[in-house]
Amino acid sequence: DAGVTQSPTHLIKTRGQQVTLRCSPKSGHDTVSWYQQALGQGPQFIFQYYEEEERQRGNFPDRFSGHQFPNYSSELNVNALLLGDSALYLCASSRDSPNYGYTFGSGTRLTVV
Amino acid sequence: AQSVTQLGSHVSVSEGALVLLRCNYSSSVPPYLFWYVQYPNQGLQLLLKYTSAATLVKGINGFEAEFKKSETSFHLTKPSAHMSDAAEYFCALSSGGYQKVTFGIGTKLQVIP
Repeated sequence: DAGVTQSPTHLIKTRGQQVTLRCSPKSGHDTVSWYQQALGQGPQFIFQYYEEEERQRGNFPDRFSGHQFPNYSSELNVNALLLGDSALYLCASSRDSPNYGYTFGSGTRLTVV
Repeated sequence: AQSVTQLGSHVSVSEGALVLLRCNYSSSVPPYLFWYVQYPNQGLQLLLKYTSAATLVKGINGFEAEFKKSETSFHLTKPSAHMSDAAEYFCALSSGGYQKVTFGIGTKLQVIP
């Protein structure tokens, strides 16, 4: 059973560009959450998608946006990239239950130069 | 607001010694608590979770954690450290109905042969 799949694994972008990261959740999971993990830090919540709607959002600017598709896969888009956006972006999937626990993908390492 | 505090960003133990990683939480409602492990260049893996069924929770790889409401703690322990336990460990909390999970900053565990 495939877990959470994220693509690409690594990405280098120039400041000011736009980027799209992709995530396929684990089979049977309907909720997708995105986290940003800067070097040496814990994951920071960006937003969560359920039933193709953004259900919750963390303290991130509107440059960060997302989408969930009918097959539960999700995209994270970041516009006008800043150097500070360099981080590991993690996708986590789960079932819609507060105590279910996440299954994480291996992440996308974004470097902004 | 909910928060997680992990005491000690780095912990070193000898192989075969007790592992104790500390986590304290703050939540205005009964929380769900989690421990995740992250190996280098990988996503996070769920070790164990507290969901109010039992205060002592057993997880994978011989780890366990005890929920102590009076101390607002959820410390992670393992009786005997193995070299393969070297990784970063994150304590996490969910207290909202929509399962938003807040992570601590992480504790890097070093196992000395």
